[in-house]
Amino acid sequence: GENVEQHPSTLSVQEGDSAVIKCTYSDSASNYFPWYKQELGKRPQLIIDIRSNVGEKKDQRIAVTLNKTAKHFSLHITETQPEDSAVYFCAASLQTGANNLFFGTGTRLTVIP
Amino acid sequence: DSGVTQTPKHLITATGQRVTLRCSPRSGDLSVYWYQQSLDQGLQFLIQYYNGEERAKGNILERFSAQQFPDLHSELNLSSLELGDSALYFCASSPREGRGNTIYFGEGSWLTVV
Repeated sequence: GENVEQHPSTLSVQEGDSAVIKCTYSDSASNYFPWYKQELGKRPQLIIDIRSNVGEKKDQRIAVTLNKTAKHFSLHITETQPEDSAVYFCAASLQTGANNLFFGTGTRLTVIP
Repeated sequence: DSGVTQTPKHLITATGQRVTLRCSPRSGDLSVYWYQQSLDQGLQFLIQYYNGEERAKGNILERFSAQQFPDLHSELNLSSLELGDSALYFCASSPREGRGNTIYFGEGSWLTVV
């Protein structure tokens, strides 16, 4: 099956700085890569996603890049704010009839005011 | 609110017992997924159903089983519970099969085994 690795496991940044989280995946057939944000004790919420026919996607302060050749994708958050503090999960979806997501192990982001 | 409803929200039970977690997907969604999240851990995919049929199976223990009913709600049955089964169990749904459909998570069911 698919194996998604995520780094770093923890990340602390000063408010206003940028944060970058990186993920790699193993199955070259994967073609859908969402990012979820999870606040403590709450459900994961989709913040941005990218499909394999696109190299980069941006939504306000959040951007995701995808390198299919290298099988890695990254989340970039600019001008970080304290409310960005949460655990972020990347995921990959296999290119099969099923649509189950395989998640990375998560990155705990702390934005220091 | 994602539209995915899970019950119960919290559950405390003893080792060796059996519990059932229930999930109602978003209106119109045919796919239901179950994920397990242990304390400070990632999301482990357990199983997926699509329109009543099992579609994919992940790291689901033999003591666990699930099903999706004709009205599309799903239940996750956990039996012979062990302390290590204590976790947050998420249900999620998506509109249909096929690649790249957004998956929406419910609020989760907190299971504590004592």
